[in-house]
Amino acid sequence: EAGVTQFPSHSVIEKGQTVTLRCDPISGHDNLYWYRRVMGKEIKFLLHFVKESKQDESGMPNNRFLAERTGGTYSTLKVQPAELEDSGVYFCASSQWNYGYTFGSGTRLTVV
Amino acid sequence: AQSVTQLDSHVSVSEGTPVLLRCNYSSSYSPSLFWYVQHPNKGLQLLLKYTSAATLVKGINGFEAEFKKSETSFHLTKPSAHMSDAAEYFCVVSYSGGYNKLIFGAGTRLAVHP
Repeated sequence: EAGVTQFPSHSVIEKGQTVTLRCDPISGHDNLYWYRRVMGKEIKFLLHFVKESKQDESGMPNNRFLAERTGGTYSTLKVQPAELEDSGVYFCASSQWNYGYTFGSGTRLTVV
Repeated sequence: AQSVTQLDSHVSVSEGTPVLLRCNYSSSYSPSLFWYVQHPNKGLQLLLKYTSAATLVKGINGFEAEFKKSETSFHLTKPSAHMSDAAEYFCVVSYSGGYNKLIFGAGTRLAVHP
């Protein structure tokens, strides 16, 4: 089966611009998670979808971040406007209940 | 609150020698514990997981970890390092009450020298 796919793999944008990250989970996985790692820090949870519903968005840093999962398939994470501290690697993962996570390769975001 | 501490940010070993990556956790609930590995430009790959069955857990590529509740530890070991083991390793905890949200340690970067 195909794994979790993230687009783009790298993105370099200027401060104040908008960036949209995309995640395609494994087909049939109801759970979709976003995590990120900013430079020198731990990988931190951002949010969790169950199908199209946000189960837990306690890790979203502020209202410049908007995540969607229309139709319960792929998800997007938009950062608008981007700030320098948003630079890092954004990971997506999907799972079906009790079967563990599968992570994507991540999107490396650089805000300059 | 749940937390994970990886005691070493960098570990360096020679090829063929044992590997020990240390991890301590703090959890108010019955934890599930994992080790993930990330090779350069790759995604996070699951090495092994503990979910309240056997305390000695065997994973892929010859790695294993032992859950020690009395020490709140979950150290990762491998008898003989290979060059391909060079990567960053993450100790991770989740708990059943948290919809499987993962809490990551800071990571240990393993270097393997010839």
